[in-house]
Amino acid sequence: SYELTQPPSVSVSPGQTASITCSGDKLGDKYASWYQQKPGQSPVLVIFQDSKRPSGISERFSGSNSGNTATLTISGTQAMDEADYYCQAWDRSTAVFGGGTKLTVL
Amino acid sequence: QLQLQESGPGLVKPSETLSLTCTVSGGSLSSSLYYWGWIRQPPGKGLEWIGTIYYNGSTFNSPSLKSRVIISVDTSKSQFSLELRSVTAADTAVYYCARQKRVIAPGHFDYWGQGTLVPVSS
Repeated sequence: SYELTQPPSVSVSPGQTASITCSGDKLGDKYASWYQQKPGQSPVLVIFQDSKRPSGISERFSGSNSGNTATLTISGTQAMDEADYYCQAWDRSTAVFGGGTKLTVL
Repeated sequence: QLQLQESGPGLVKPSETLSLTCTVSGGSLSSSLYYWGWIRQPPGKGLEWIGTIYYNGSTFNSPSLKSRVIISVDTSKSQFSLELRSVTAADTAVYYCARQKRVIAPGHFDYWGQGTLVPVSS
């Protein structure tokens, strides 16, 4: 079965750029999406189709996807960005989520 | 504004069937542009996809849960449902329903319900 691998945790200082990776076999051939989840809340879509932002999502969020790795980049990271982030892709009639990355803003 | 609301029993006993319904408002369940999915999250753990259904009843299911899952849709009631048979404590989770955009195949989940915690316990 297809797997997506994310680092369990990423730390960033306020105002700096955070990058969260998601790795999977030939992931660049598929569309990657990213979700933000804060404690006690439902996930929120922040990036879809590799690099598109839904309406209402800050321009500080951007995405890329090439080869075996998709990357979520958060520029000018703020305390409010501290959350769990999940990548997701569709592979052969199956939706797959990465294990999640806890972003800590120190 | 599209809204999805999960409903179902607050507690399920081991070996029984977990049944949940998602009611969609502010949008059409019959749109050809979207699929409708179920995702769960055990306490303190990550997201796990359960399955996805199209308005015409065609389904996609997680290989790991496929033998125990039935997903159905009732467009007249703007509802889609999940049945998970023979539950164990490992099925204790927050269950979410969500809308999934059709991008050739099912794609990203753009609207999510608030989720409902379903404990499995005797």
